[in-house]
Amino acid sequence: TQLLEQSPQFLSIQEGENLTVYCNSSSVFSSLQWYRQEPGEGPVLLVTVVTGGEVKKLKRLTFQFGDARKDSSLHITAAQPGDTGLYLCAGSQYGNKLVFGAGTILRVKS
Amino acid sequence: DTAVSQTPKYLVTQMGNDKSIKCEQNLGHDTMYWYKQDSKKFLKIMFSYNNKELIINETVPNRFSPKSPDKAHLNLHINSLELGDSAVYFCASSQERPQVYEQFFGPGTRLTVL
Repeated sequence: TQLLEQSPQFLSIQEGENLTVYCNSSSVFSSLQWYRQEPGEGPVLLVTVVTGGEVKKLKRLTFQFGDARKDSSLHITAAQPGDTGLYLCAGSQYGNKLVFGAGTILRVKS
Repeated sequence: DTAVSQTPKYLVTQMGNDKSIKCEQNLGHDTMYWYKQDSKKFLKIMFSYNNKELIINETVPNRFSPKSPDKAHLNLHINSLELGDSAVYFCASSQERPQVYEQFFGPGTRLTVL
C-alpha cells in the first residue's frame, strides 16, 4: 500500500485538452511537491506547496494543496506535446525524507 | 555548470560483480540522497547523508554501501550484484529548509545486471 496514491496512472490526450492529476493520502503532509521527469533524465521540481488550501500557478499549470494537507492536484490547461512526461508528487511528513507517489505518465499528442 | 552529476550514465555488468556509482553536487547543499527507480517508475529513497553523516538508511541490503568523503560527494558501492538490482539509481541533493526538502536530482545511472 502506497502512502501517496496518484491517479490516473496513464493519460493520453490531444494537444489543447485540459487535464488534472490527483495525489491523495490518508496522512497529513508538512509540504507536498510536484516533479516532472522526462525519459533518460532525473525528476525536476515544478512546485512546492506548504499551506493547506494553497494554490500556485506556473504558466498553464495550476497546483493545489488540500485544506487538510492530505491531497493535492495538478491541472494543466491547453496541454502541449512539451508537457509529455512522468509527473510525480512527493510529500514530506515532518521528517527529512520525501515519500513519492507512483507517478502519472502523460502523453500529449499533436 | 551541472548542478548534480553522476557517473557512469549506463552500467552493464554480470551477476556477482562489485560496482560503484559516483555523485557530485556543486549547489552547496548540505544533504545528499540515493534513490532507486524501478521498472514501474516508482522512486524510493535508499540513503541520505547530511554533512557526511548518514541520517537515513532505509531497508536496503547490506550489499549497498554509501560513502560520503565530503558534503559535495556521495558515492554508492554495490557488492555481489543481483538481477534484482537492475534499476535506475538517482542521486539528489537538497538544502535544509524545514519540512520541505526540495530535491535536485542527477541524470541517473541505469544499472543492468545480466
